[in-house]
Amino acid sequence: NAGVTQTPKFRVLKTGQSMTLLCAQDMNHEYMYWYRQDPGMGLRLIHYSVGEGTTAKGEVPDGYNVSRLKKQNFLLGLESAAPSQTSVYFCASSLRYTTYEQYFGPGTRLTVT
Amino acid sequence: EDQVTQSPEALRLQEGESSSLNCSYTVSGLRGLFWYRQDPGKGPEFLFTLYSAGEEKEKERLKATLTKKESFLHITAPKPEDSATYLCAVRGSTLGRLYFGRGTQLTVWP
Repeated sequence: NAGVTQTPKFRVLKTGQSMTLLCAQDMNHEYMYWYRQDPGMGLRLIHYSVGEGTTAKGEVPDGYNVSRLKKQNFLLGLESAAPSQTSVYFCASSLRYTTYEQYFGPGTRLTVT
Repeated sequence: EDQVTQSPEALRLQEGESSSLNCSYTVSGLRGLFWYRQDPGKGPEFLFTLYSAGEEKEKERLKATLTKKESFLHITAPKPEDSATYLCAVRGSTLGRLYFGRGTQLTVWP
């Protein structure tokens, strides 16, 4: 049982390049989330999904897109990377109901130059 | 606007010196208050969930308590391995949303 895994662990992009971050969970969780963590800002929700085929915007969705084609996977895309998107990105998942705790992946450190 | 404030931002303790971390919150319709531990370079690790005022949870040297406006994470006789950043988060009535505080960075020295 690997829990929540993220690919890649590190990435460096140039401004304007695109990339996709992959999150996978093997706990059969319904809900999945993407956060970014910046120094002094805490964790902020980018997008989330309450089930396969559904997505919704969080606090800071601009510049990101997501897809949840399979229940176990949640993809985060950057179409045209900007230096302001330099951050550590965390994926999380939780069981169906809103009161359940979220379990986090190990994170992806992204640098945009 | 839902808000979570953690204090202090940083705390240094000598091994064995007990203390408390604070998480104050304003949220509509609390659906749960969560404590996480985060080690450098890693994702947050779930510790506790509290749902209603008066509730308490314990795990080893950690004890979390909840009132109507704040939560405390009490650390009894801490050890150096307790050094980490402790995050507090609350879920209100907005579906799917967790609101995180900025964390308290705890350092326990021998």
